[in-house]
Parts: sequence; C-alpha cells; structure tokens
Amino acid sequence: SYELTQPPSVSVSPGQAANITCSGDNLDDKYTFWYHQKPGQSPVLVIYQDTKRPSGIPERFSGSNSGNTATLTISGTQAMDEADYYCQAWDYTTVVFGGGTKLTVL
Amino acid sequence: QVTLKESGPVLVKPTETLTLTCAVSGFSLSNDRMGVTWIRQPPGGALEWLAHIFSNDEKSYLTSLKSRLTISRDTSKSQVVLSMTNMDPVDTATYYCVRGSSSSGFDYWGQGTLVTVSS
Repeated sequence: SYELTQPPSVSVSPGQAANITCSGDNLDDKYTFWYHQKPGQSPVLVIYQDTKRPSGIPERFSGSNSGNTATLTISGTQAMDEADYYCQAWDYTTVVFGGGTKLTVL
Repeated sequence: QVTLKESGPVLVKPTETLTLTCAVSGFSLSNDRMGVTWIRQPPGGALEWLAHIFSNDEKSYLTSLKSRLTISRDTSKSQVVLSMTNMDPVDTATYYCVRGSSSSGFDYWGQGTLVTVSS
C-alpha cells in the first residue's frame, strides 16, 4: 500500500519560514493536500492540488511537489501557526495520510 | 453553507458493531462532484482514513479494515452511514465525517465524535 512519510516535528522561530516535507514514491504523480489541526479542533485544509490555497487561508501558506517530496512552506511563521500538519494523497480510489508533523513556533 | 454532523454512540462494548451517521447539508450527495469520507483519529494519534462514498455511489475502503467496514448513504435524508463490526478498544478514536474529492481535497469537516470502546 502507498505510504506518506513526514518528520514527527519541526521547530521554527517566529517570522522565519517553516518547511514541512511529505515523502512518497513518485509523489509528484499525484496531488498532495495539506491540513493543519489545532488541539481540540477538526483539521482544516490549507493547500490543495499541491499548490493552491482555499479561500481564507493566508498567503504565507504555500506548497510544492516534485519527485518524491511535497513541501508545505509557511513564510513568516506566526505563533498561531503552531499546530499538527498532515499531508494527504489519493492512491487510485483510496486515501492516504502522512503520520503528521508537529510544528512548534519558539 | 456546507455542514456535516456526526452522531452515534459514545461508548460501545468490545465485539459490538458501531454505527455512525453523518447528516450533511449545503450540498448534494448524488449530484455534486463531491463524496463523503470517514476519518478517525485515536487520542493523541494521527489521522486515519477509513472509507469514502463517491457521488456515483461507488465505495472505497481502507484495505486493512475492509472486512469490518460498510459505508452507505440515504440521499433522501442527506445522510451517510458508517458501520464497523467487531469493535475493539484499539478502535477508540474521534470519528470525523468529511466532504471531499480527489481534486478538491477534504474541504469541510464535521466536528467529530469520540467513540470509546470499553466493557
């Protein structure tokens, strides 16, 4: 079965850029989606189709997908961005999530 | 306005069957190019996709749980139902009902419902 791998944790200083990676075999053959989840809340879609931002998502969120790795970049990271981040892809008709990355802003 | 709301038991016993209902509004289960998926998350754990029902009524399941899962819909009631048989304590999790597709991602999530499996 298809797998997506994320680093368990990423730390970033306020105002700096945070990069969260998601790896999978030939991942750029698929669309990658990104979600963030704050404690006690449902996940929120922040990037779809590799690079697109849903309405209401700040411009500091961006995405890329090349080769085996998709990357979520948060430019000018703010304290409010501290959350768990999950990547997701479709493998034919099934869905795969990465294991999640805890982003710490310190 | 798109909304999804999960309902079902908060506590089930081991070996019992869990039945969860998702009431949707603001979109059509059969006419829009959107399906409904169930995702669960154990306490302190990661998201795990379980099943998806497409707008054409095709279904897809997590391979490892396929024998235990059934997803169905009632378009007249705008509801999607997930059944999971032979519940075990490891199935304790928050279960989310989510709207989505392979092009849009999962764009609207229910609030989730915590199901505890314990005798």
